[in-house]
Amino acid sequence: EAGVAQSPRYKIIEKRQSVAFWCNPISGHATLYWYQQILGQGPKLLIQFQNNGVVDDSQLPKDRFSAERLKGVDSTLKIQPAKLEDSAVYLCASSKTSDSYNEQFFGPGTRLTVL
Amino acid sequence: GQQVMQIPQYQHVQEGEDFTTYCNSSTTLSNIQWYKQRPGGHPVFLIQLVKSGEVKKQKRLTFQFGEAKKNSSLHITATQTTDVGTYFCAGARSNDYKLSFGAGTTVTVRA
Repeated sequence: EAGVAQSPRYKIIEKRQSVAFWCNPISGHATLYWYQQILGQGPKLLIQFQNNGVVDDSQLPKDRFSAERLKGVDSTLKIQPAKLEDSAVYLCASSKTSDSYNEQFFGPGTRLTVL
Repeated sequence: GQQVMQIPQYQHVQEGEDFTTYCNSSTTLSNIQWYKQRPGGHPVFLIQLVKSGEVKKQKRLTFQFGEAKKNSSLHITATQTTDVGTYFCAGARSNDYKLSFGAGTTVTVRA
């Protein structure tokens, strides 16, 4: 079974630039999560999708971050404009359904450095 | 802020020794999951605890859920170099079932 795919693996940009990350979840998984993991911290949920609908985006900085999952499969996360404090690893995860009892499968992440 | 608190933040262990890491919540949890993240890797699911007082074992790893469902522990016996990494607990509050990750315990092993 193929795992969660993410690209790019690494990205270096200057502050105020824009960046986009892509995620393809495990086939058949209805729920997709985007997490931000700052060095030395645990993953922080940015947004959770159930199929193509948003379940939770309460911690997404909506003035600069946006995410979509138009066809209920793959997803993109965008930052525009980036700030220095956005430097982190952005993890995508998927699970079969949206309830908290489901195991989450994580992708390899995208390491973003904002200069 | 973090819903679940993990202690210690760092654990330096001599190979062959035992250690325990703890996860604490101020609110009752419906369930708790444990994940392991190797250096440079991504979190990988280890186990889930649901019932009050539940104890589960995976080889040298023992996971426990407190009676009040507000805390959990991971105990590793006879630590090996393969145990290196960061262990995260993720708890879901009983009132909204949203999973929240702790800051993790980073384990290093001295050979």
